[in-house]
Amino acid sequence: DAGVTQSPTHLIKTRGQQVTLRCSPKSGHDTVSWYQQALGQGPQFIFQYYEEEERQRGNFPDRFSGHQFPNYSSELNVNALLLGDSALYLCASSLVGGRVDTDTQYFGPGTRLTVL
Amino acid sequence: DQQVKQNSPSLSVQEGRISILNCDYTNSMFDYFLWYKKYPAEGPTFLISISSIKDKNEDGRFTVFLNKSAKHLSLHIVPSQPGDSAVYFCAASEVYGNKLVFGAGTILRVKS
Repeated sequence: DAGVTQSPTHLIKTRGQQVTLRCSPKSGHDTVSWYQQALGQGPQFIFQYYEEEERQRGNFPDRFSGHQFPNYSSELNVNALLLGDSALYLCASSLVGGRVDTDTQYFGPGTRLTVL
Repeated sequence: DQQVKQNSPSLSVQEGRISILNCDYTNSMFDYFLWYKKYPAEGPTFLISISSIKDKNEDGRFTVFLNKSAKHLSLHIVPSQPGDSAVYFCAASEVYGNKLVFGAGTILRVKS
């Protein structure tokens, strides 16, 4: 049973550039959430996608956008990169209507983005 | 505004003893609480959860306690093993399946 996968593993960009990160959810899951984890902090919620629409959004600027495809995979796009966007970007998948005690959000290994 | 706080940045415990990790929250709308473990270079791994209608949930060596009046939860690991050494995150959500709000994490070191 494949878990959540993310690509690429690492990425180095310069200020002002644009980046696209990708996520494939755990088999059987239909919802994808994205989180940003800065060094020494806990993950911060960016947004969540379900049925190809953004269902919830955290306190992130419009430079952060996303997409969910019919196969439930998802992309996170960040435009006009800033130095402060350097972080670990985590994708989590879950199942709407799943069991509360077991069908929680499962995380991928993350993409480490460095902005120079 | 930090809605979920883990006030202990680190904890060191002897192998075989109990590890107790604590978490406080301020948002009374939180209805669902989770603990995740994270190793370096890996994503957070789900450990155990509890809904607000319960005050205790057990899964093997892991037990989570919830005190709603104090807005406090704790994770007990008994007995602690060296493989438990990791960063532990407390998280909460207002609605199951919705966004998770995380604490800053506690580094647990289990010494053999």
